[in-house]
Amino acid sequence: SQQGEEDPQALSIQEGENATMNCSYKTSINNLQWYRQNSGRGLVHLILIRSNEREKHSGRLRVTLDTSKKSSSLLITASRAADTASYFCATAGISGSARQLTFGSGTQLTVLP
Amino acid sequence: DSGVTQTPKHLITATGQRVTLRCSPRSGDLSVYWYQQSLDQGLQFLIQYYNGEERAKGNILERFSAQQFPDLHSELNLSSLELGDSALYFCASSATGGFPDTQYFGPGTRLTVL
Repeated sequence: SQQGEEDPQALSIQEGENATMNCSYKTSINNLQWYRQNSGRGLVHLILIRSNEREKHSGRLRVTLDTSKKSSSLLITASRAADTASYFCATAGISGSARQLTFGSGTQLTVLP
Repeated sequence: DSGVTQTPKHLITATGQRVTLRCSPRSGDLSVYWYQQSLDQGLQFLIQYYNGEERAKGNILERFSAQQFPDLHSELNLSSLELGDSALYFCASSATGGFPDTQYFGPGTRLTVL
């Protein structure tokens, strides 16, 4: 079963708008990561946020983490057509097999020109 | 380009057959991870090797096995293939072997079992 679940499953926006994707998880984590995947290609690491961090920025990306609610959000500002891709959150648990990255089912983002 | 290479890009084979997928990690990375991505199961962690030794196992079937060689490249062996094994298989690498840090993914091998 998957630890992280993204919401929404699909999101369609106009170029220039902001896109927000959410991720919820079930168990305690060491860190949470966001990855992007263009259709049928390898995943690209976007950002990692550790359990003791609340917010992190990287270029047009902003990630927040609320460990009390076991949730994270990824905000992409001023979206571009090239941002069209699937976005996955992945959690690294704190013990045993949960220490491995567990991926959610992803959000398919479409940015319309 | 992540620096992780995988061969072959595509593989078409028949049920019951055996195939080997190959992965070369980024220069300097000691950990190699294998993942399976399918429409119904999503992205599933299979197995991790660190500096030649198995470090962690995920949802890997007994028909599947892997190894990491002294030069750090890794191979994933899939045997007695079934239709349901059709999927994208990704290899990823990272510098460390502990808590998952940034992983760098290869382009994947698309396996089709007919």
